[in-house]
Amino acid sequence: KNEVEQSPQNLTAQEGEFITINCSYSVGISALHWLQQHPGGGIVSLFMLSSGKKKHGRLIATINIQEKHSSLHITASHPRDSAVYICAVLQGAQKLVFGQGTRLTINP
Amino acid sequence: DAGITQSPRHKVTETGTPVTLRCHQTENHRYMYWYRQDPGHGLRLIHYSYGVKDTDKGEVSDGYSVSRSKTEDFLLTLESATSSQTSVYFCAISDPTGPSGNTIYFGEGSWLTVV
Repeated sequence: KNEVEQSPQNLTAQEGEFITINCSYSVGISALHWLQQHPGGGIVSLFMLSSGKKKHGRLIATINIQEKHSSLHITASHPRDSAVYICAVLQGAQKLVFGQGTRLTINP
Repeated sequence: DAGITQSPRHKVTETGTPVTLRCHQTENHRYMYWYRQDPGHGLRLIHYSYGVKDTDKGEVSDGYSVSRSKTEDFLLTLESATSSQTSVYFCAISDPTGPSGNTIYFGEGSWLTVV
């Protein structure tokens, strides 16, 4: 079993829908990252959080340390949100463990 | 955006040949990483560096070596490339003691095909 599990693996939705991507982990962490990767492109860090909730534009990330679970929400989804979203947990100072990613497709 | 550049961005090489990928940063970040990304496996750490001449192995280090002779450059070498090393390679940097904390920045990736 992977130390970091994401669900769903693939998600297709219509423009405007509210999107939720989940991440569960089984190890102790010091922080959790949500990353975005566009097709053929690089990887961008969206959020780094160790407690509570963060919001940036239409994106919201939450984490529950006790339940070892994090969610990434996208409100009013748009086709440009289509990408792979990756959850990564930071163990200690520098070891990152990655989930396998969620491929999101938003149709117009 | 963090100043990270990877070279080459695309390379096709033959089995058994040595290959070196370069990661260059302009941010003076202490930590540098090399990951590979493969379908079904996600990102996996090959090697990382926590300072000049200070490197350590990651989970998939066999067949790879690294060097960091100056802060800005982190080289990944495949001593004798094999088809199993066909992958996309990402460099990343972070500096937990800097103003961005543990934020991690990735390069654009290097697509390597071993034929």
